[in-house]
Amino acid sequence: AQKITQTQPGMFVQEKEAVTLDCTYDTSDPSYGLFWYKQPSSGEMIFLIYQGSYDQQNATEGRYSLNFQKARKSANLVISASQLGDSAMYFCAMSYTNAGKSTFGDGTTLTVKP
Amino acid sequence: EAQVTQNPRYLITVTGKKLTVTCSQNMNHEYMSWYRQDPGLGLRQIYYSMNVEVTDKGDVPEGYKVSRKEKRNFPLILESPSPNQTSLYFCASSPTGSPEQYFGPGTRLTVT
Repeated sequence: AQKITQTQPGMFVQEKEAVTLDCTYDTSDPSYGLFWYKQPSSGEMIFLIYQGSYDQQNATEGRYSLNFQKARKSANLVISASQLGDSAMYFCAMSYTNAGKSTFGDGTTLTVKP
Repeated sequence: EAQVTQNPRYLITVTGKKLTVTCSQNMNHEYMSWYRQDPGLGLRQIYYSMNVEVTDKGDVPEGYKVSRKEKRNFPLILESPSPNQTSLYFCASSPTGSPEQYFGPGTRLTVT
């Protein structure tokens, strides 16, 4: 069974600084995808970044990067130059094939301080 | 506009009264899923569908039914709702070959 663990219920970061949100996963399948989503207080789910298990390079999307360490089964999200608008809940998720079976972590609430 | 729509957005009902939450996408996506979100528990997958007439259980399917008779629609049925099904429900869709799920706006359900 697949499992996602996010060990940081809440995080604080100063505006313009970088922050790392932790995510570890467990799966016995060699082929999987890892995702990060942002959920602002308004409630919508926003896709941020994706990493495939066979991708050689870490994924990057603008200020977001995914620090993928396969041997450690970790997929940490790094947000550079934090902005006030980054304050939200962040979810790490995993799926096996496309977007069929998916598992989400419990989330990390990020608060950016001015 | 490409989107996933859910109806209703808010619903208060009583225990045992059958209800259906609709989900529709206009992007011709093959994959669709239902999730529930509870405080401190993140999103848990209820059911998913890989195409018309192909559905499978997620992590928390008990008390729910789904059907996929048309590609665009994926309704969630609660035949006898109970208070422990009070939650925020999300529908999502994605195309074959793409990792990104497109989420609907959510349906907040309260069962008294």
